Amino acid sequence: AQSVTQLDSHVSVSEGTPVLLRCNYSSSYSPSLFWYVQHPNKGLQLLLKYTSAATLVKGINGFEAEFKKSETSFHLTKPSAHMSDAAEYFCVVSDKVNTGTYKYIFGTGTRLKVLA
Amino acid sequence: GAGVSQSPSNKVTEKGKDVELRCDPISGHTALYWYRQSLGQGLEFLIYFQGNSAPDKSGLPSDRFSAERTGGSVSTLTIQRTQQEDSAVYLCASSLERQETQYFGPGTRLLVL
Repeated sequence: AQSVTQLDSHVSVSEGTPVLLRCNYSSSYSPSLFWYVQHPNKGLQLLLKYTSAATLVKGINGFEAEFKKSETSFHLTKPSAHMSDAAEYFCVVSDKVNTGTYKYIFGTGTRLKVLA
Repeated sequence: GAGVSQSPSNKVTEKGKDVELRCDPISGHTALYWYRQSLGQGLEFLIYFQGNSAPDKSGLPSDRFSAERTGGSVSTLTIQRTQQEDSAVYLCASSLERQETQYFGPGTRLLVL
C-alpha cells in the first residue's frame, strides 16, 4: 500500500531565506508524487508533480522538488521565501486503484510560517 | 473561470438535519472525487466517480453519507441526520480520464451545531 509521511507539521523561516519541506513516501512501484498548497480558507492548488520523467521538478512560484528513489523522498524547496508563501503544504502520492483510475493518499500537511 | 466549483461555500446546520453539497467539475473531466478535511484526521478520501458510476465508495464513513453524479458532470454529496463529528471541509476534485492530476475546488465548510 502507498503511504506518505511529512516529517514536519510546522516550519518557520524568515523572509528571503530558503524553504525546505520534507516528504517521504512508501510505494510498491514507481509512484507519482505531487505537492499542493492550501492558503487559509482556500482549496488545494497544484504546485508541481513528478510522474517518472525528470527527477528534479520545477513548479509554480519558484518551488521545486527532487525525487530521490534511493531515499524514498520528495522534498519541496524554494531558494527564497516570500510572505505570500505562508500556507499549508501537502505531499501526495497517487495510488492506482484500477485500470486508469487513481486515488490520492495525502500527507498530514506542513504549515509554513514566514517571518518578516 | 473554468475551475472546479463547489456550493455552498459555507453551511451551518443543526444536528439531525440533512445537507446537500454540490460540486461542478471542470468541463470534460470524467473523474470526480470527494474528500473530507477535518482537524485531527487530515484529508480523507470519500468516494470517486468515473462518469456517473462510483466504483470506489470505500471512504464513505457511514450509511448516512451518499453521493450521486448525473450527466457525467455535477455531483451531490448528501449527509443525512448530520452529527457534530461531520463538521469539516468537504473538497471536490476532478481529473481527465486516465490522468492522475486532480484539480480541487475551494471546498464547502460544514458546521454542525
